[in-house]
Order: sequence, then C-alpha cells, then structure tokens
Amino acid sequence: DAGVIQSPRHEVTEMGQEVTLRCKPISGHDYLFWYRQTMMRGLELLIYFNNNVPIDDSGMPEDRFSAKMPNASFSTLKIQPSEPRDSAVYFCASSTPGNLARTDTQYFGPGTRLTVL
Amino acid sequence: AQSVTQPDIHITVSEGASLELRCNYSYGATPYLFWYVQSPGQGLQLLLKYFSGDTLVQGIKGFEAEFKRSQSSFNLRKPSVHWSDAAEYFCALDGGNTPLVFGKGTRLSVIA
Repeated sequence: DAGVIQSPRHEVTEMGQEVTLRCKPISGHDYLFWYRQTMMRGLELLIYFNNNVPIDDSGMPEDRFSAKMPNASFSTLKIQPSEPRDSAVYFCASSTPGNLARTDTQYFGPGTRLTVL
Repeated sequence: AQSVTQPDIHITVSEGASLELRCNYSYGATPYLFWYVQSPGQGLQLLLKYFSGDTLVQGIKGFEAEFKRSQSSFNLRKPSVHWSDAAEYFCALDGGNTPLVFGKGTRLSVIA
C-alpha cells in the first residue's frame, strides 16, 4: 500500500485566497483525521470522520475552515479565506478499528506545509 | 478529562548513550497508549503501542516502553541511541470515546 497520500506537499498563497488540501487514506481504513501542527500549539486535531461522516469537528478553528469526505478514498480540507496565522503543517491520518471497536494505530501522511503570505 | 504530558521539551544525548523519554497521562481507566516519532519534514510514524497484557512493550528501531499504572506513566527507552534517532517523539493516549490525544512532544538531539 502507498500509505496516506497528501497533496500538495507545499502550498504558498496570499492572504484571502482559498486553499484546498487533499488526502487519500489507506484503502480499507474507515477513520480519517485532519491535524494541524505549529510550533506554538503542537499537534491539534481539527476534525475526524468515520465511514465518511464527520464525527467531531470541534477542533476546527473557525468557519473559514471546512472539511469534506465525499467517498472512502478522498477528503479535502478547505480554508477560505486564508490568513497568515493559518500557516502550519497540515497532516491527514487514517486508521481502522482495533479491538473493542476503538481506533487503533493512526497512519500519517507526509503533511502539507502551508504558508500564507 | 484525558491528557498527556511530556515534561521534557528538548533532550540531548550522546550517541551510544541510553535514552529515556517521559510520558505521563491522565485517564480514569486503562488507556491505549502510543509512542510516535516524527523525523524532520515527515509525518508521524508509530514506534510502539500498549493495549493490555505485558507492561513492557517492544517497538521498532530498538525502542521499548513500560506502562506503569501506579505512576500513570508510559516512558520510552532505548539502550543505545544512534544519530538517526534524532527526531521529535510524541506520546499519545486513546481513551476510547475520543481519538488520540497527543502530548506536546519531546525533541531529541544526538551529539557525537
């Protein structure tokens, strides 16, 4: 398996522009997670899906952020309009339930480094 | 509320020396516990995990961790560090009703 695939790997945009980050989870995994990593705040969970349904989006910082999972093999994280404080590395991860129906190991993609000027 | 604390932000060790990275958790029952490693410019990779049973868990790259319920700890150890171990290490907890809760991470530097 190719692992979790994210695109683009790097994105530089100007304030006010729309940014779309993409993720392809590992085939067969039914959980998908979006994280944001910054020096100041560390690794933050933004939203996660189970079977394409958003379960918890309480980590989404504000309405400018939205995420979708139209099918089991694709998810997007969109920021509109983007701001300089959105600059961070955004990770996608996927997993499948282990014992007791709890999420097991999360497999992370390589991340998208977003810079908003 | 469940939480994970990694008390050390940055640790420097000499190559060949032993290593212990600390992790403390707060959770009312027995959690699932994980250690992940992040090399520069990379995503996180699982080193090892504890679900139940033997409290000493072996992982990849020669790492091990010991679950101590009495101390609410899950410290990561390696007997002899290699320069390639320089990375950021994250402890994480799965309390069952929510996905992983990560600690802030410990950055490991290895010197010759």
